[in-house]
Parts: sequence; structure tokens; C-alpha cells
Amino acid sequence: GQQLNQSPQSMFIQEGEDVSMNCTSSSIFNTWLWYKQEPGEGPVLLIALYKAGELTSNGRLTAQFGITRKDSFLNISASIPSDVGIYFCAGHQTGANNLFFGTGTRLTVIP
Amino acid sequence: DAGVIQSPRHEVTEMGQEVTLRCKPISGHNSLFWYRQTMMRGLELLIYFNNNVPIDDSGMPEDRFSAKMPNASFSTLKIQPSEPRDSAVYFCASSRLLGYTFGSGTRLTVV
Repeated sequence: GQQLNQSPQSMFIQEGEDVSMNCTSSSIFNTWLWYKQEPGEGPVLLIALYKAGELTSNGRLTAQFGITRKDSFLNISASIPSDVGIYFCAGHQTGANNLFFGTGTRLTVIP
Repeated sequence: DAGVIQSPRHEVTEMGQEVTLRCKPISGHNSLFWYRQTMMRGLELLIYFNNNVPIDDSGMPEDRFSAKMPNASFSTLKIQPSEPRDSAVYFCASSRLLGYTFGSGTRLTVV
């Protein structure tokens, strides 16, 4: 299957700091999505991006669909303890029935 | 909307026993996905269904794994016989378009 690489693999940050993470692929995707998984739960959709270059915000979260269509970025501003979790990117290709998920970025916020 | 419902939440079984995991997708969603999550391999797609028909089962590890979707509101993932290396969290997700909704998962421990 397609390989989506996320970096960093894990982050330890102080509460109030901004967070940046990214997702890259060798293949082109026509839709990018970002999910968050909290301990003991399944991933939950945060943001969906449908067009190259698109920048979308959801509260303190901002995500961008890369111009090359091979990458996407997620930023979290002014982190809070409840931002803790694993963040997954996911990509969709035209004609495919399923999403391809990234390897995840584990975020720890230190109060 | 009750979301995607998985049962049981936790399952501990002895090696060699049969295990059946259950999933009720969101009403109106026409695609259903089974994923396995481990620390080593992350989120792996096992199989998915469109309109109750299995589309791609290439992610199923081996013949010990089988999945069924007898109707639009129910799916099972069965492991027979189970082995310790099957220990993982198994997620079911459903979707109508691209935004998957995940269940809370079944944590399987095979001893």
C-alpha cells in the first residue's frame, strides 16, 4: 500500500507552545485528512482538505494541503493538556475506495 | 447518532481459542473498514466492504482471519485459532464519503 510518513514521530512540548507536524508521501493524493486519537479511543476526524494549496482552520488547528499534493501540514497553536494524543494524516487517491493512513505523531503536552 | 459501536471493548483469550469481534456501523454509511493497531505496525487496514460486499481483503494477515458483513448494520471479524501475535486493538470504521468514523476499538489480548 501507499506509504505516508509523518514527522516527528513524537513530541514533548510545554503547555502554551505551538506545534507543527507534517505528512509526506511519494504519491499524489487528492484529499488529505487529519485525525486525532486519544488514549483508549478510535481516531476522530479533525480537518479535511480537498484542494492543493488549501489552508483550513478548526479552532486552534490549522492544516494545509501541499502544493505538490504529496504533503500536508498540521499546526496547533497555544497547546493545552487535552491536545495530548496521536495525530494521524490520511490521504485519498482518485478512484480508490479507502484512505491511506500515516504512521502517526504522538504529542505529549507538559502542563 | 450512536456512532460506530464495537463489542466487546476488551477480550482476553487463550491461544487457540476462537475470537469474534463485532461492529455496528453508522446507519446510512455504505462502507465499513476493519483496522488493526499495534505499536510496531501502526494502523493496518485488514479488509473493507462496500454495500456489504468485501472489496479488498489483502490486508488480512492469514487464513485464520475472516470477516463477514451479512447486512448493512452488522459486521464480524473472526480469528480462529487465535495466537499471541494477534494481540492488538482492532478498530471498525464506517463511512459514506471520505470522512471515516471509527469505533472505540476492541483490545484483544491472546495469552
